[in-house]
Amino acid sequence: EAQVTQNPRYLITVTGKKLTVTCSQNMNHEYMSWYRQDPGLGLRQIYYSMNVEVTDKGDVPEGYKVSRKEKRNFPLILESPSPNQTSLYFCASSLAPGGYNEQFFGPGTRLTVL
Amino acid sequence: GIQVEQSPPDLILQEGANSTLRCNFSDSVNNLQWFHQNPWGQLINLFYIPSGTKQNGRLSATTVATERYSLLYISSSQTTDSGVYFCAVVTADRGSTLGRLYFGRGTQLTVWP
Repeated sequence: EAQVTQNPRYLITVTGKKLTVTCSQNMNHEYMSWYRQDPGLGLRQIYYSMNVEVTDKGDVPEGYKVSRKEKRNFPLILESPSPNQTSLYFCASSLAPGGYNEQFFGPGTRLTVL
Repeated sequence: GIQVEQSPPDLILQEGANSTLRCNFSDSVNNLQWFHQNPWGQLINLFYIPSGTKQNGRLSATTVATERYSLLYISSSQTTDSGVYFCAVVTADRGSTLGRLYFGRGTQLTVWP
């Protein structure tokens, strides 16, 4: 089954404790990205990647890191999480960049930073 | 950047009723998608519809790219249709972040039995 998976689905952590949210897709997609969803602000893009070893900032990259060492994986890293990073996070992928292709979203990761 | 406006913001229906959700966008787009966010927060792809009309069961969508709007029709609504419906576009503006989806604020749909 074609899908985007994220882990963990739910995470409660404390300020400053490094964490990684994994994202994997099995569709051989080149383009992957991370969004966060907050009440009143909608979904905002954090980082995106156009292919292996090619990543760039979205609208709200501060406090986040990403890497793309393999085509299928695009982990989101919070080196020192803070309470303002409490949010619902989505990973997305599409066949190619440029916006001409349907984007598929993972199930979401609900993160709480205390 | 591109503006994506959805209407109505809230919609309350009785089971069996039909509804139309609207999405207006302020600039040319390469991509338009409709999503349903269920009560558990999952974003479910409904339609990829940069232009034309598509149907999937009780749902259908029409995008008129030249007039910069898209409509989502829900017929014979069911309680399981409840949730938030988002329209999202990728701008054709080459200066914007490549492939970035711009989301509207959504329409909160509640269907009562």
